[in-house]
Amino acid sequence: EADIYQTPRYLVIGTGKKITLECSQTMGHDKMYWYQQDPGMELHLIHYSYGVNSTEKGDLSSESTVSRIRTEHFPLTLESARPSHTSQYLCASMQGDYNEQFFGPGTRLTVL
Amino acid sequence: GENVEQHPSTLSVQEGDSAVIKCTYSDSASNYFPWYKQELGKRPQLIIDIRSNVGEKKDQRIAVTLNKTAKHFSLHITETQPEDSAVYFCAASRGHGSGNTGKLIFGQGTTLQVKP
Repeated sequence: EADIYQTPRYLVIGTGKKITLECSQTMGHDKMYWYQQDPGMELHLIHYSYGVNSTEKGDLSSESTVSRIRTEHFPLTLESARPSHTSQYLCASMQGDYNEQFFGPGTRLTVL
Repeated sequence: GENVEQHPSTLSVQEGDSAVIKCTYSDSASNYFPWYKQELGKRPQLIIDIRSNVGEKKDQRIAVTLNKTAKHFSLHITETQPEDSAVYFCAASRGHGSGNTGKLIFGQGTTLQVKP
């Protein structure tokens, strides 16, 4: 089934750990996005990509990095997690322009 | 920079009443305005969108109006039902191409509670 997947769904880690949040979509979309969202609060764009080997920083400053080596895969990496990184991270994808952004189920990250 | 202001932050209505959520955007080049609904613990989902060449769009109980001169757009939900309870986000975008970013700039969200 065409969808957008995120793993893990929940992650609790200690300060200083390196983590990678996975995002994959099977819809063949060219554009992909990462948002940070505290529950029920505003969506903040932290990274986006228009296609393979294209990545841009979003409006919210983030210490994370992303890569887009394959169309369907857009992982987000935190080299050294801190308690301030505790939040929900939502991945999304879209085809073309003026179309719906489809969101993944999210990863809820807690850094102790 | 680009900004979208959304009001109110919370809205409580009785079942059957109408609900209106308003957004104002700052970038006059914005030409695409979607609305997303996020139920508790779930992912945001598109419920309706409008392009700048249209002043109003309706889909059953929901409608969106756009005033480009005032840089203002609104979501209207009629005959509200308890399942309409959720957080609603407006957004604005320039689309993509000709140097535009195509990013969605989201409003702060409105928590709608529909009381049975």
